[in-house]
Amino acid sequence: KNEVEQSPQNLTAQEGEFITINCSYSVGISALHWLQQHPGGGIVSLFMLSSGKKKHGRLIATINIQEKHSSLHITASHPRDSAVYICAVNRDSNYKLTFGKGTLLTVNP
Amino acid sequence: GAGVSQSPRYKVAKRGQDVALRCDPISGHVSLFWYQQALGQGPEFLTYFQNEAQLDKSGLPSDRFFAERPEGSVSTLKIQRTQQEDSAVYLCASSAWTVGEAFFGQGTRLTVV
Repeated sequence: KNEVEQSPQNLTAQEGEFITINCSYSVGISALHWLQQHPGGGIVSLFMLSSGKKKHGRLIATINIQEKHSSLHITASHPRDSAVYICAVNRDSNYKLTFGKGTLLTVNP
Repeated sequence: GAGVSQSPRYKVAKRGQDVALRCDPISGHVSLFWYQQALGQGPEFLTYFQNEAQLDKSGLPSDRFFAERPEGSVSTLKIQRTQQEDSAVYLCASSAWTVGEAFFGQGTRLTVV
């Protein structure tokens, strides 16, 4: 079993829909990252969080440390949001990132 | 610099050829990481530098892989005698601290034929 599990693996939505991507982890962590990767492109850091909730524009990330679960929400989705969204964790205070396999989001106009 | 820069963006190598991949991190960033991403998978850790010191190379898949960061800034990942299974995207990331927001480069897509 992977230490970081994401669901769903693939998600197709219509423009304007509210989107939720989930991440569960099975190890102790010091931080959790949400990353975005466009096809053929590099990875962009969206959020780094260790508790609570963060918001940036239409993106919201939450984390529940007790349940070892995080969610990434996108409000009013747009086709330009189409990308792979990756959850990654720093185990305890370790510098290494352990990655989930990613969620491929496609937003249709 | 403005961001993490990697070169080349694409590299096709014949099996058995040596390759060198370059990473230019954000100026002043202490931490530098190399990750390998196979098609359809999440990145996997290769190695970690803190300034010029290579503190962790546990993820390097074989002794054909070698990384250096001699002056604590630019890093080079070298793969000797490339094999087909080395085909992947190689990502470099830098961070201001040991555990901090990671800034990734565009990656180098290596194809070994």
